[in-house]
Amino acid sequence: AQSVTQPDIHITVSEGASLELRCNYSYGATPYLFWYVQSPGQGLQLLLKYFSGDTLVQGIKGFEAEFKRSQSSFNLRKPSVHWSDAAEYFCAVGPRYNNNDMRFGAGTRLTVKP
Amino acid sequence: DTEVTQTPKHLVMGMTNKKSLKCEQHMGHRAMYWYKQKAKKPPELMFVYSYEKLSINESVPSRFSPECPNSSLLNLHLHALQPEDSALYLCASSPVAAEETQYFGPGTRLLVL
Repeated sequence: AQSVTQPDIHITVSEGASLELRCNYSYGATPYLFWYVQSPGQGLQLLLKYFSGDTLVQGIKGFEAEFKRSQSSFNLRKPSVHWSDAAEYFCAVGPRYNNNDMRFGAGTRLTVKP
Repeated sequence: DTEVTQTPKHLVMGMTNKKSLKCEQHMGHRAMYWYKQKAKKPPELMFVYSYEKLSINESVPSRFSPECPNSSLLNLHLHALQPEDSALYLCASSPVAAEETQYFGPGTRLLVL
């Protein structure tokens, strides 16, 4: 069965520092991969997605993610974090050709120190 | 317009009440979804509608009853809920095709007393 793991429950970084959030997936074939962000009490906003092609994916708000097939990973990065980036971040996977069956990781809560 | 709207934003109900959650999108998407999200947990898929027909029901208790009256509207009817059903209920929509993204609404925060 497909699954996605976010090893870090909570990460704290200083404003202006770089950020990397980890995501590992387990699936028989390369799935579709997503990163979503959720501010407190809000819905989910898509940051970026990977379906095929270039393994370095650019998203909104200055985020990027790199798909590494050999490591079954899809880590999210940002070179310089802003205080407004404090939120919950979810990695999600979905099987190819069936976007109805997307599954989420447990999430990583990001705190940004001034 | 890439917006999914949900009403109400907040809902408090007793265990004997009947209430409904509403979700609307005008993006022409033909797949719509209900998710349940408990505090500090990821969203969990409840139901999927594809072309206004229920295609996935993730073994959700019958006290939750979804309805898709047309391609833009999705309802979730609630009856005889339990306090453990208190959660954020998220609606999403997507085109019914591969390589398409789900767009989420802001959610309805439900409290069952």
